[in-house]
Amino acid sequence: DVKVTQSSRYLVKRTGEKVFLECVQDMDHENMFWYRQDPGLGLRLIYFSYDVKMKEKGDIPEGYSVSREKKERFSLILESASTNQTSMYLCASSKQGSGQPQHFGDGTRLSIL
Amino acid sequence: AQKITQTQPGMFVQEKEAVTLDCTYDTSDQSYGLFWYKQPSSGEMIFLIYQGSYDEQNATEGRYSLNFQKARKSANLVISASQLGDSAMYFCAMRLLDTGFQKLVFGTGTRLLVSP
Repeated sequence: DVKVTQSSRYLVKRTGEKVFLECVQDMDHENMFWYRQDPGLGLRLIYFSYDVKMKEKGDIPEGYSVSREKKERFSLILESASTNQTSMYLCASSKQGSGQPQHFGDGTRLSIL
Repeated sequence: AQKITQTQPGMFVQEKEAVTLDCTYDTSDQSYGLFWYKQPSSGEMIFLIYQGSYDEQNATEGRYSLNFQKARKSANLVISASQLGDSAMYFCAMRLLDTGFQKLVFGTGTRLLVSP
């Protein structure tokens, strides 16, 4: 069965901290994605990766960076956390190819105090 | 640029009835795919159904069907025989198929409440 695992369901950090959100998939998918979800705004793409060490900016990359050193793992990094980065973060992965759906993890609810 | 519009912030339906969740999209590309996802209160996003722009038949998956009207640029989700467990947020999303990257654009979602 398809499995995308995010390291934490809930996380509380302080302003200015460097925050790491980890995501692992066990389906050998080429593509991986990080979204943030805010009420009334739906899901917005932060970054995605289509191969190891490859990354592309999404719609809202400011304040974030990513790392993909292994195919199964995609990390989202908040370089210096700010209160406006309090949100739900969702990781997803997909196979390459038309019509392939993205499979999501359970999400990480991040609060920056 | 692509855009997905879901105009119904909330919908109510009684158990065992059918419900239609609206989705309209905007793109000038001819090759695209449309997806529906369900998000229960627990937070995970669950893939429900997919429709390709060149698919001639409407997609169906169990109790879910997609009413695809290409000329009107609409891709409404129909849930037949609603169950209490269908209460959730529902998101429509679109991806261009001619690009190498599988970027999805999401709508803002519709909250469905199924009552006994």
